[in-house]
Amino acid sequence: QLLLQESGPGLVKPSETLSLICTASGGVFNSSYHWGWFRQPPGKGLEWIGAISHSGTTSYNSALRRRVTISVDTSKNQFSLRLRTVTAADTAVYYCARRSDFWRGFSLVSWFDPWGQGTLVTVSS
Amino acid sequence: QSVLTQPPSVSAAPGQTVTISCSGSISDIGNNYVSWYQHFPGTAPKLLIYDNNQRPSGIPDRFSGSKSGASATLGITGLQTGDEADYYCGTWDSSLGAYWVFGGGTKLTVL
Repeated sequence: QLLLQESGPGLVKPSETLSLICTASGGVFNSSYHWGWFRQPPGKGLEWIGAISHSGTTSYNSALRRRVTISVDTSKNQFSLRLRTVTAADTAVYYCARRSDFWRGFSLVSWFDPWGQGTLVTVSS
Repeated sequence: QSVLTQPPSVSAAPGQTVTISCSGSISDIGNNYVSWYQHFPGTAPKLLIYDNNQRPSGIPDRFSGSKSGASATLGITGLQTGDEADYYCGTWDSSLGAYWVFGGGTKLTVL
């Protein structure tokens, strides 16, 4: 059974870069899947940040696109999130998850499972 | 503001049935497939439903999903106190390139 675990600093200063890693263990980390990042600000709902394929093709939330980079290191079963120029509004619990897909006609059927436990990142000086 | 609209909260007594709605548009729910997630704060979100109405292995049949037009519904029968959590719907939004959107989440209270 695949397990995902987020890791990285819990405190980041304003204007600096938030960097997180998601490590996969106990299951398959291969080209059959995409790998995604999400966040949940305090008191708010889930927000999709972006995703990456095993080959490195990325897609990002348009609201964050200019500040986000997601990368994958298949040799380490890891994928990473970098969010630049952070502000207090980026304070959130950050989650990683695996995305499964299949095509039905011209539509993509997708879902995210499993998810990591999440890691709280606070932006503060 | 979320792209998909969910009621902020629903409540029901143990043993009863509750439904949670998720309303969108033709560019998201209308032309794509919905998944539902159960989230206990501080833990990993859990997939309940995918492909509008499919349950992953291990999810009891008390949980069901449906979709009609640009709206989707999560149903939970035989409510248990352990079902008290936040529930989110999600799907693709094809309007501005493909990106994933969630509803704002619904807090289920089991009275």
